[in-house]
Amino acid sequence: AQSVTQPDIHITVSEGASLELRCNYSYGATPYLFWYVQSPGQGLQLLLKYFSGDTLVQGIKGFEAEFKRSQSSFNLRKPSVHWSDAAEYFCAGDSGGGADGLTFGKGTHLIIQP
Amino acid sequence: ETGVTQTPRHLVMGMTNKKSLKCEQHLGHNAMYWYKQSAKKPLELMFVYNFKEQTENNSVPSRFSPECPNSSHLFLHLHTLQPEDSALYLCASSQGGLDTTNQPQHFGDGTRLSIL
Repeated sequence: AQSVTQPDIHITVSEGASLELRCNYSYGATPYLFWYVQSPGQGLQLLLKYFSGDTLVQGIKGFEAEFKRSQSSFNLRKPSVHWSDAAEYFCAGDSGGGADGLTFGKGTHLIIQP
Repeated sequence: ETGVTQTPRHLVMGMTNKKSLKCEQHLGHNAMYWYKQSAKKPLELMFVYNFKEQTENNSVPSRFSPECPNSSHLFLHLHTLQPEDSALYLCASSQGGLDTTNQPQHFGDGTRLSIL
């Protein structure tokens, strides 16, 4: 079965420090992969997406993610976090091939320490 | 502002009430989705509509009834809900069709539903 796993429920990072949020996927073929961010009381905002090609993808707000087929991972990174980055982050996958629902991980809650 | 608008933002209803959630997208997309977000659980896909046709019903109880009158509007009709149905209901849209390359889903801000 298709699945997306985010092993960390909470991550605490100091402001200005680097960040890496983990995501692992289980799909029969290479999926389309996404990272979304959700602030309290808001919907999901797309940070970046991977469909094919370059395995390092750049997103909005200074985020990037690297697709690693050998590790079935698609980790999200940011070199220096800001207090405004505190939010819930979701990794999601799509098998592609048409309008299809996304399979989401459980999310990682990011806390920024001053 | 994401181009996907959901109303109402908050809804409190009794188990015997009938209410509807509305979603409208202004992005020219032709696929629309309902998701349920409960505490401590991953987002769950409920329904998919592609070109106004329902293409997926993810084993959702019949007390949830979707309606897609056109590609821009999606409704979720609710009746005789249970307390466990309290959640954030998110609508999304995408370009849809056979090739969704580079066409991710865009989400609304959701309707927070509380069942008394």
